[in-house]
Amino acid sequence: DADVTQTPRNRITKTGKRIMLECSQTKGHDRMYWYRQDPGLGLRLIYYSFDVKDINKGEISDGYSVSRQAQAKFSLSLESAIPNQTALYFCATSDFLGIGADTQYFGPGTRLTVL
Amino acid sequence: AQTVTQSQPEMSVQEAETVTLSCTYDTSENNYYLFWYKQPPSRQMILVIRQEAYKQQNATENRFSVNFQKAAKSFSLKISDSQLGDTAMYFCAFMKLHPGSARQLTFGSGTQLTVLP
Repeated sequence: DADVTQTPRNRITKTGKRIMLECSQTKGHDRMYWYRQDPGLGLRLIYYSFDVKDINKGEISDGYSVSRQAQAKFSLSLESAIPNQTALYFCATSDFLGIGADTQYFGPGTRLTVL
Repeated sequence: AQTVTQSQPEMSVQEAETVTLSCTYDTSENNYYLFWYKQPPSRQMILVIRQEAYKQQNATENRFSVNFQKAAKSFSLKISDSQLGDTAMYFCAFMKLHPGSARQLTFGSGTQLTVLP
């Protein structure tokens, strides 16, 4: 089984709809991240969470919200989707301590299309 | 703010040969990590290699190695004995380790590598 899973893998929706993307991990990591990838660009950070009670905005948080339901679950919501939110969305996790600390491991991505 | 530049949008290499992907970065930080990730057509982001800035020794992982030049702010990836499965988009990424920082990755725009049979 994959360590970091994302659901759905693909989603097509209409402008104005509310969408939730979910991320679960079995790595036992405290830190979780949501990134967005647009064509021809690297990933950009939307939100991050260092633990269940610690949630922070990234560089492109406008139009998005998140929820950290448990250590293993971190959801991204688009309250009212718009076409320029069409992108590939990645969840990532990292550990706080240890030899591999701070290395981020990514889920398989969710391709979101807003019509 | 940190920036990461990958000046080679596309590269190709013959199977079994060696190829080097370039990456430069701009930062005023002294303590940071650098990474290479690959993204094959499956779109999964896969860690290739990691380098700690405080280490002078270049990181290696099997056929993958880096040439880390801290003063020049350069971090190139060398792939030896290229295989068809190495075909992917390769991203260079920077992470500053300033206390209280987000530990976010700042990515370059990527280099599409194609391994030719």
